[in-house]
Amino acid sequence: GEEVAQTPKHLVRGEGQKAKLYCAPIKGHSYVFWYQQVLKNEFKFLISFQNENVFDETGMPKERFSAKCLPNSPCSLEIQATKLEDSAVYFCASSPPAQLAIYEQYFGPGTRLTVT
Amino acid sequence: QKEVEQDPGPLSVPEGAIVSLNCTYSNSAFQYFMWYRQYSRKGPELLMYTYSSGNKEDGRFTAQVDKSSKYISLFIRDSQPSDSATYLCAMSASSGGYNKLIFGAGTRLAVHP
Repeated sequence: GEEVAQTPKHLVRGEGQKAKLYCAPIKGHSYVFWYQQVLKNEFKFLISFQNENVFDETGMPKERFSAKCLPNSPCSLEIQATKLEDSAVYFCASSPPAQLAIYEQYFGPGTRLTVT
Repeated sequence: QKEVEQDPGPLSVPEGAIVSLNCTYSNSAFQYFMWYRQYSRKGPELLMYTYSSGNKEDGRFTAQVDKSSKYISLFIRDSQPSDSATYLCAMSASSGGYNKLIFGAGTRLAVHP
């Protein structure tokens, strides 16, 4: 597709429950990124993939967060045992496999996670 | 200290005003600079981009980079109510599509008729 698709739009979980978010990158894009946007617009990088391989996971809280990009499936971000502080909008972005593609990182509409 | 600092605003201006949005950064390796616009409950969309120092103009928008001061700016001329959004600066040290973006906190702009 021509747009990054994210589902669901909104997810409500009780503290301690699991949350799973999905992202379908633009067709032909090799790189997928997950960012977390908390209050006051703070954008935080979580993890990136090159196809199905983890490329950079320096932003991932290792204990409760995990992510996958499997062939022929949407990418997913899973949070085990959610905490109140995980409430945020999670954005997925994708970019093509080009050396000058830093300007071609396209964002999805986001999934708003509310932990109660 | 954050790598990228941006005043979160909010900034409220009358229609037709010139708007100046700014970011400072600490990492001298950053060479690729972008401005994203984000409407409420939407994903960011790329508005302007520049490489290294200099100016770039696109219609009512001008992006400036001063690497010696580690300071970037976005100017909006003849601002319109449709420009009301959050403006995020973003940066990267290299050009490959595999690079994560480092964002500022975003500045909320409201242009009132």
